Amino acid sequence: AQSVTQPDIHITVSEGASLELRCNYSYGATPYLFWYVQSPGQGLQLLLKYFSGDTLVQGIKGFEAEFKRSQSSFNLRKPSVHWSDAAEYFCAVGGIDKIIFGKGTRLHILP
Amino acid sequence: DSGVTQTPKHLITATGQRVTLRCSPRSGDLSVYWYQQSLDQGLQFLIQYYNGEERAKGNILERFSAQQFPDLHSELNLSSLELGDSALYFCASSVATSGRDEQYFGPGTRLTVT
Repeated sequence: AQSVTQPDIHITVSEGASLELRCNYSYGATPYLFWYVQSPGQGLQLLLKYFSGDTLVQGIKGFEAEFKRSQSSFNLRKPSVHWSDAAEYFCAVGGIDKIIFGKGTRLHILP
Repeated sequence: DSGVTQTPKHLITATGQRVTLRCSPRSGDLSVYWYQQSLDQGLQFLIQYYNGEERAKGNILERFSAQQFPDLHSELNLSSLELGDSALYFCASSVATSGRDEQYFGPGTRLTVT
């Protein structure tokens, strides 16, 4: 069965600092992997996705994520965060016929 | 703008009442998903429809039901409402039913039960 874990419920970083949000998944085959962002009062928006090929994927808003099969991870990174990045971030794993979302990590930015 | 529309944006109602939430998917998308998001439960998958047929069920209460119409819009019906049903309800759509199909989310309907 598919599952996805985001170990950090809240993360706080200073503006301009680097960011890494963790995501671990469980799936028997190579999964489809997604990161979504939800700004306050908004719906979820896709940041990036991984299906196959290069394990480092680039997304919108300067985000990237790296698929590491050996660690069953798909961590989201950004070299320098901006105050507008404060939001909730959801990792999701897709199997043959469905996508499962993690519980989310809320990112707080210190000025 | 994801192309998914939801109405109404806000809904305030009393306990015991029944409400209907409406969703129009992106043009060309055949799958519609409903999610409930609350502070304590996070994002919970409720139900999925594909081309008019129920495809998958998640943590949907028996008091809740949904359907997808021939024009592919979907409605989520919530009845015998309780205070705990207060939440954001999202609709999402995708092209088909594969796990690789990106889901496009609507802006949500905020339901407040008083």
